[in-house]
Amino acid sequence: EDQVTQSPEALRLQEGESSSLNCSYTVSGLRGLFWYRQDPGKGPEFLFTLYSAGEEKEKERLKATLTKKESFLHITAPKPEDSATYLCAVYISGSARQLTFGSGTQLTVLP
Amino acid sequence: DAGVTQSPTHLIKTRGQQVTLRCSPKSGHDTVSWYQQALGQGPQFIFQYYEEEERQRGNFPDRFSGHQFPNYSSELNVNALLLGDSALYLCASSLLADTQYFGPGTRLTVL
Repeated sequence: EDQVTQSPEALRLQEGESSSLNCSYTVSGLRGLFWYRQDPGKGPEFLFTLYSAGEEKEKERLKATLTKKESFLHITAPKPEDSATYLCAVYISGSARQLTFGSGTQLTVLP
Repeated sequence: DAGVTQSPTHLIKTRGQQVTLRCSPKSGHDTVSWYQQALGQGPQFIFQYYEEEERQRGNFPDRFSGHQFPNYSSELNVNALLLGDSALYLCASSLLADTQYFGPGTRLTVL
């Protein structure tokens, strides 16, 4: 069965303390991996799309990487405004029309 | 450029009632997908509409139905509401199987 697992479930960091969030997937054929940011009570905000192993994307303090089994979202010198839930989702072969999501990592950055 | 819009923002219904949620896609997008998100979970795919037809459906009962109009906007209908239908309902738009962009969501509470 296709699965997307995110870890840790929750992460508390001090401002400036860099860390990484993990998204591991067991799918029959990856067609794309997506990272979203979600603030409480709001819709997910698109961050990155990755299509093949070895690909990397960057945006401000965030950097996403992809291997054949997992993706990492690296956060460098985070600020309190980076606090949110980060969601990972995949398109899989034969089902490229639906996103399958992990449960998310709730990030809190303390000042 | 307006993003994805949804209405209403919040809705309270009682068990057994019916509800209709509405979505307008991002300008230039022709595909609308609907997701249900329970508290603390990732969004779950309900179905996707393209060219006014349901193209793919997730594991949801027939009580959940939808429609897409010629202007690409969409409606989600839920009949015979259950307590377990309480959730954040998200609409996402895209160009076919490209990146999906989400609206702010409709919070449905079933009493």
